[in-house]
Amino acid sequence: AQSVTQLDSQVPVFEEAPVELRCNYSSSVSVYLFWYVQYPNQGLQLLLKYLSGSTLVKGINGFEAEFNKSQTSFHLRKPSVHISDTAEYFCAVKVAGGKLIFGQGTELSVKP
Amino acid sequence: DADVTQTPRNRITKTGKRIMLECSQTKGHDRMYWYRQDPGLGLRLIYYSFDVKDINKGEISDGYSVSRQAQAKFSLSLESAIPNQTALYFCATSDWTGLTDTQYFGPGTRLTVL
Repeated sequence: AQSVTQLDSQVPVFEEAPVELRCNYSSSVSVYLFWYVQYPNQGLQLLLKYLSGSTLVKGINGFEAEFNKSQTSFHLRKPSVHISDTAEYFCAVKVAGGKLIFGQGTELSVKP
Repeated sequence: DADVTQTPRNRITKTGKRIMLECSQTKGHDRMYWYRQDPGLGLRLIYYSFDVKDINKGEISDGYSVSRQAQAKFSLSLESAIPNQTALYFCATSDWTGLTDTQYFGPGTRLTVL
C-alpha cells in the first residue's frame, strides 16, 4: 500500500534561516506528489506539486521541493523563512482513483 | 466569496446525537471528498464522490454516512456521534483534468462530541 511519512512532527527555526521539511513516500506506481500548507484556523492550500518532468519543483511563497526517486523522497525547502511561514505542512501522494494519502504533518514554527 | 464553504464552522454536541456537516462549492468540480484531521495523524479520507451518482468509502468510513445532493453539495452525517469522532473535518473538491487533479479545501468544521 502507498504511504507517506513526514520525518519531523515539529520544526522550530529562527526567522531568515533556511528550512527543510522531510517527506518520504512508498509507491509501486507512477508518483504524483504534493505539499499543502495549513495556516492557523484555515483549510489546506496547495504549495506545490510534482507530476512529471523536472525534479525540482517551485511553489508559492518561495518554497521548492525536490523529487528524488532513488531515495523515495520529496523534501520541501525554503532558503529564508519568515514569521508568516508558521503553519502546518502536509506532504501527500496521489493514489489510484485520484485520492490523496497524507503524511502526519509537520508543524513549522518560525521564531523572531 | 470562498469557493468551498462548510457549515457549521464549529459544533459541540453530545454522545448519541445525529450530526450533519454540510459542504458547498462554486468551483463546478465533479469530485468531492470528506476528510478528518487528528493531531499527529494528518488527514484521513472518510468518503469521496466522483459525481452525483458515485459514492465511495474511504479508509475510515465506519460511523459516517454521506449524501451528494447535487454536484455542488456533499454532506457528511454522524448518525450517533461518539467522543472519538471529535476532530476537525474538511471538505475538498477537485476537477479531474488528467494529471492535475488538485484538491481545494474548505475552511473546516471543528466538531466536539461530549
